[in-house]
Amino acid sequence: DGGITQSPKYLFRKEGQNVTLSCEQNLNHDAMYWYRQDPGQGLRLIYYSQIVNDFQKGDIAEGYSVSREKKESFPLTVTSAQKNPTAFYLCATRPVQGSQPQHFGDGTRLSIL
Amino acid sequence: AQSVTQPDIHITVSEGASLELRCNYSYGATPYLFWYVQSPGQGLQLLLKYFSGDTLVQGIKGFEAEFKRSQSSFNLRKPSVHWSDAAEYFCAVGALGGYQKVTFGIGTKLQVIP
Repeated sequence: DGGITQSPKYLFRKEGQNVTLSCEQNLNHDAMYWYRQDPGQGLRLIYYSQIVNDFQKGDIAEGYSVSREKKESFPLTVTSAQKNPTAFYLCATRPVQGSQPQHFGDGTRLSIL
Repeated sequence: AQSVTQPDIHITVSEGASLELRCNYSYGATPYLFWYVQSPGQGLQLLLKYFSGDTLVQGIKGFEAEFKRSQSSFNLRKPSVHWSDAAEYFCAVGALGGYQKVTFGIGTKLQVIP
């Protein structure tokens, strides 16, 4: 989706290191989401935010942290506490009002060195 | 709790043949249902969605899906598959509006052979 930019496309993490994945959107959507995708497991929700300066844990938040200082940005930090971080990470957005579905970015693939 | 079952992990069809991908859901209220498609290394693209109205929903790329409340199903169909349809397909169920917690199935990988 051209309105959601995830960077970098590929990221490598060393043991004990924190890394941050970027998600920026120009769709003026209020809600933003982070998902983790593993083969054979579909998408699992890590964190979501419906408004600036507010966010909630999803189903698998342990070892991750987020911030929402601006409407356009929702960065995800994978901390050293996340023991199995290798996965494909997807950011999504949607307007809070109405029946619009979630729109997805192109993802970031995180691997361990 | 809401859940989605996609019973077929992998499907192979010949180009030009018809396609049906199965999806069963569990949801306590009126469901908001989606089908997304994902090409390798890419994000998810919405094919179609259903909340109310006509139970046969038309989507992009020639896909359609039929909501059957009595069977808790939302199967995706295409009358004639093209090689470019090879991808992974995800069915999802969620609430309308607000936080919109969405639960995804594990996906069905479609292979198209000449």
